[in-house]
Amino acid sequence: GAVVSQHPSWVICKSGTSVKIECRSLDFQATTMFWYRQFPKQSLMLMATSNEGSKATYEQGVEKDKFLINHASLTLSTLTVTSAHPEDSSFYICSARVPGNNEQFFGPGTRLTVL
Amino acid sequence: GNSVTQMEGPVTLSEEAFLTINCTYTATGYPSLFWYVQYPGEGLQLLLKATKADDKGSNKGFEATYRKETTSFHLEKGSVQVSDSAVYFCALTPYNNNDMRFGAGTRLTVKP
Repeated sequence: GAVVSQHPSWVICKSGTSVKIECRSLDFQATTMFWYRQFPKQSLMLMATSNEGSKATYEQGVEKDKFLINHASLTLSTLTVTSAHPEDSSFYICSARVPGNNEQFFGPGTRLTVL
Repeated sequence: GNSVTQMEGPVTLSEEAFLTINCTYTATGYPSLFWYVQYPGEGLQLLLKATKADDKGSNKGFEATYRKETTSFHLEKGSVQVSDSAVYFCALTPYNNNDMRFGAGTRLTVKP
């Protein structure tokens, strides 16, 4: 089946620093990847849709300058949390869509803690 | 717009009890419907799906039937196990785009 990985699985950083999270589709090419944020005991909130070779589409209320998304290849999308603050602490999950299929395959998530 | 409403938990059951988690949806056209499971500290895993009316998705003893007349996709399992303890999310994608919408999630705890 389609496998999506994320790296790192957890990260702790100081306030004001930037953190990059990678999302990779391991055995298929994903023209579209998605980034979600999940607060404790809550559902997933779609942050942005990442299309290979073009700018990401951000959901309303998500700061594009704060959460930089790059989808430089068909197997890799990155999310950079710039100038992180404690309120950015969350569980970030990516997913990738198999071409020709509307199902999404999810990565294992990255837990970000900003001190 | 497209949305999913699922039964809020938490749900606590004894081992071998019958499980139902209700899910209803609002969507135009014919969406695909999904159930995902999230174990503690992990990402989402697809549990089952259905892509058209009257389809039944099933996996690991779990079942859900796509009911267009009631716009529902209730999750059921006849006999739950302690290992089924997790959070369950109902989700949909409209047939014509990628936009996946999730329900709030239902936390299930199964006690021995």
